[in-house]
Amino acid sequence: EPEVTQTPSHQVTQMGQEVILRCVPISNHLYFYWYRQILGQKVEFLVSFYNNEISEKSEIFDDQFSVERPDGSNFTLKIRSTKLEDSAMYFCASRAGGAGNTIYFGEGSWLTVV
Amino acid sequence: SQQGEEDPQALSIQEGENATMNCSYKTSINNLQWYRQNSGRGLVHLILIRSNEREKHSGRLRVTLDTSKKSSSLLITASRAADTASYFCATDSNAGGTSYGKLTFGQGTILTVHP
Repeated sequence: EPEVTQTPSHQVTQMGQEVILRCVPISNHLYFYWYRQILGQKVEFLVSFYNNEISEKSEIFDDQFSVERPDGSNFTLKIRSTKLEDSAMYFCASRAGGAGNTIYFGEGSWLTVV
Repeated sequence: SQQGEEDPQALSIQEGENATMNCSYKTSINNLQWYRQNSGRGLVHLILIRSNEREKHSGRLRVTLDTSKKSSSLLITASRAADTASYFCATDSNAGGTSYGKLTFGQGTILTVHP
């Protein structure tokens, strides 16, 4: 079964450093997402991406965050200057198209900011 | 309560028993999806139920949706130790008539199935 793949699975970074989390969504999917889950808390929506632009973003997704689809397969989340509170599991997700379709999540990337 | 709240927060049962988890939400939805998460792992999609559906089955899973009560339930029948995980409901709501797949997750139910 096709799946969303994410790298790295775990990254430790110093506060203030830039981090790029990478994702390969399911091929032929059109909608892409990043979510995050701080340890012990709910999964939270960060951003949705369609047709090479951001469709919607949450309050969490401030100027420190950016997303990019540099080629036909990868989808990246960049955090420019990490803060301690950015420590979380970051999930990439994708959907085939249209409202009402299943959203498939990757295994996640654990980010630890020290 | 917030959108997509599950109860109970924790459920402990014996293998072979049924497990029922409930989810309530506040706003109108396009669909509601149930996910499972093993500790520290990714979110595995279980079932999607659309707002015009009332019940769906998938193997040992049965999901109901009552839009008048803004609630859903997930029933796992004949549970197994391997079903031990956290279970989340996630609502996909209309946004100006167009849904962009912005899911709102609940806090989840931690299910423990004892062998």
